[in-house]
Amino acid sequence: SYELTQAPSVSVSPGQTASITCSGDKLGDKYACWYQQKPGQSPVVVIYEDSKRPSGIPERFSGSNSGNTATLTISGTQAMDEADYYCQAWDSSTGVFGTGTKVTVL
Amino acid sequence: EVQLVESGGGLVQPGGSLRLSCAASGFTFNFYWMSWVRQAPGKGLEWVASIKQDGSEKYYVDSVKGRFTISRDNAKNSLYLQMNSLRAEDTALYYCARLEGSSWYWGKWGQGTLVTVSS
Repeated sequence: SYELTQAPSVSVSPGQTASITCSGDKLGDKYACWYQQKPGQSPVVVIYEDSKRPSGIPERFSGSNSGNTATLTISGTQAMDEADYYCQAWDSSTGVFGTGTKVTVL
Repeated sequence: EVQLVESGGGLVQPGGSLRLSCAASGFTFNFYWMSWVRQAPGKGLEWVASIKQDGSEKYYVDSVKGRFTISRDNAKNSLYLQMNSLRAEDTALYYCARLEGSSWYWGKWGQGTLVTVSS
């Protein structure tokens, strides 16, 4: 079965850039999206179709996807960005989530 | 306002059954694919099942095939998940979510309903 791998945690200082990667076999041939989940809340999509931001998502969130890796970048990270982030892709009509990355803003 | 409200969760013994419901409002329900996504306590997200607008196509994660059935009633703007032969590993918060776009992403989520499988 298809798998997406993420680093368990990333730490970033306020105002700095956080990069969260998601690895999967030929992931660049699929669309990747990213979900943010804060404690006790439902997930929220922050990036879809590799690099598109839904309305209401700040411009500091950006995404890319090439080869075997998709990347979510948070520029000028704010304290409110502290959350779990999950990448997600579809493999033959099967939904696959990444293992999740906890972003801590120190 | 778009709303997805799940219900039907609870405590059930291993081998038991439960039916989850999701009431949709604020949008044209029969325009969208819908899904169930679950999250075990303290764990990550796991896609469970998806269903086409008219119910003619359904997809499941391997671990629930043959045990869970996703369905919908467009007249009632409702999504369902019939869960049979429940196992301890099915314990999770179950979210109802709306698939959007040509690339399929979940743009709207409910608050979830908790299913606990334990004796």
